[in-house]
Amino acid sequence: GAGVSQSPSNKVTEKGKDVELRCDPISGHTALYWYRQSLGQGLEFLIYFQGNSAPDKSGLPSDRFSAERTGGSVSTLTIQRTQQEDSAVYLCASSKIPTVGEKLFFGSGTQLSVL
Amino acid sequence: DQQVKQNSPSLSVQEGRISILNCDYTNSMFDYFLWYKKYPAEGPTFLISISSIKDKNEDGRFTVFLNKSAKHLSLHIVPSQPGDSAVYFCAAPKEGSGNTGKLIFGQGTTLQVKP
Repeated sequence: GAGVSQSPSNKVTEKGKDVELRCDPISGHTALYWYRQSLGQGLEFLIYFQGNSAPDKSGLPSDRFSAERTGGSVSTLTIQRTQQEDSAVYLCASSKIPTVGEKLFFGSGTQLSVL
Repeated sequence: DQQVKQNSPSLSVQEGRISILNCDYTNSMFDYFLWYKKYPAEGPTFLISISSIKDKNEDGRFTVFLNKSAKHLSLHIVPSQPGDSAVYFCAAPKEGSGNTGKLIFGQGTTLQVKP
């Protein structure tokens, strides 16, 4: 696709439910990142995928959060037993190569609201 | 521990004037800085970056200045245009992140350019 695509754009769920957020990166981009932005805060790094390497999960806030990337392309972020503090905009980004100076291309995000 | 700080949540300027957005950081090991711009309901987009070996980088109307001794950088927009109205984030690579796009973001500054 032309850009990074994320779905759904909005998700409202009840506390305790599981949610899955999807990211379709730009074709050919080897690096994929998940960030989240809580209200009034900057973006917070969650997890990073590069090719077939094991993901860097160092930013995941708890073991309720997990992510996978199938076939080096589409990624799914799963949040189990959602809590109200999980409410945020979840942003996916991709880049051609994983280098410091490489631009990240972000999707429009998924607004998650946990009631 | 907020390693990248944008202490001004908002800024309002008149069209045609200069906009100056500020960012402070605490980690002297940071060696690369980036600015991203975000419109409502869209993902952030890369704007401009600077390496710590430079003190200035210019791209059209946008110039970033880096003062390493003060651990401070600023983004200048001249002349400001109404289309520049957005949230601006400064960011730096997470220490120990290696050659990746794992970033630490500031909280953002909302710029409003009035016609």
